[in-house]
Amino acid sequence: GESVGLHLPTLSVQEGDNSIINCAYSNSASDYFIWYKQESGKGPQFIIDIRSNMDKRQGQRVTVLLNKTVKHLSLQIAATQPGDSAVYFCAENIGGSYIPTFGRGTSLIVHP
Amino acid sequence: KAGVTQTPRYLIKTRGQQVTLSCSPISGHRSVSWYQQTPGQGLQFLFEYFSETQRNKGNFPGRFSGRQFSNSRSEMNVSTLELGDSALYLCASSAGPSGVSTDTQYFGPGTRLTVL
Repeated sequence: GESVGLHLPTLSVQEGDNSIINCAYSNSASDYFIWYKQESGKGPQFIIDIRSNMDKRQGQRVTVLLNKTVKHLSLQIAATQPGDSAVYFCAENIGGSYIPTFGRGTSLIVHP
Repeated sequence: KAGVTQTPRYLIKTRGQQVTLSCSPISGHRSVSWYQQTPGQGLQFLFEYFSETQRNKGNFPGRFSGRQFSNSRSEMNVSTLELGDSALYLCASSAGPSGVSTDTQYFGPGTRLTVL
C-alpha cells in the first residue's frame, strides 16, 4: 500500500487495549473538529466530529474529547482491533468558512 | 451508492508539463473539495467547488486550478509541474454547500502524481 506520511508519531497497542490519540489544534477561533482514519492506499474516512460547544461526543467504540482551554483534541478507541491500524488525522474548521486545517496524523499499529 | 472516484489513480509526469485530474463525486453530492497530501506538509486544502463555482481556496499558487461541471464532476489542473508537486491528490464530496457545515466529506482514493 501507499505510505501517507513519513516520520509520523506512532502509537503501538495490543489488540483489545484502549487507544488514545491526541491532537493539538492551532486556532482558538476553530469551532468544528473532525477525526479521520486513513488506511494505506485509501482516502481519509470520517470517524467522528464535535462542535466547540461540546466537550465530549461518543460514537461506536470511539469517543472524542475537546479541551478548548488548551486547544487539545483526543480520540479514544475502545477495544482496539487490528482493523483499526491506520493513520488518524484531526481537522479543525475556523468558524464562518469551511477551509479545514489538518493535523500531521498519528500512525496507530495494533498488534494481534 | 458508488463512492467518490478519481482518475487516473497513478500518473508520472516530467517537470514543466501540465496535468489534469478528474473526480466524480457521490451521486447527488454538489460540493467537491480537493486536497494535496505529502509526507512533508500533510493534508492541505486546495479548493472547493459548489454548483460550478469556486467557493473556497487554499494557499496554493495560481498553477493549481480547478473547475466543476454541471453534473458536479470536477477536474483540477496543475500547469508547469515542479518536483515539489509530487503528491497524493485527494478529492472529497459532500451533500451540501460547505460553510460551518456538518456535511460529512467522503474522500476518494486519490491520484498519486509523481513529477520527474
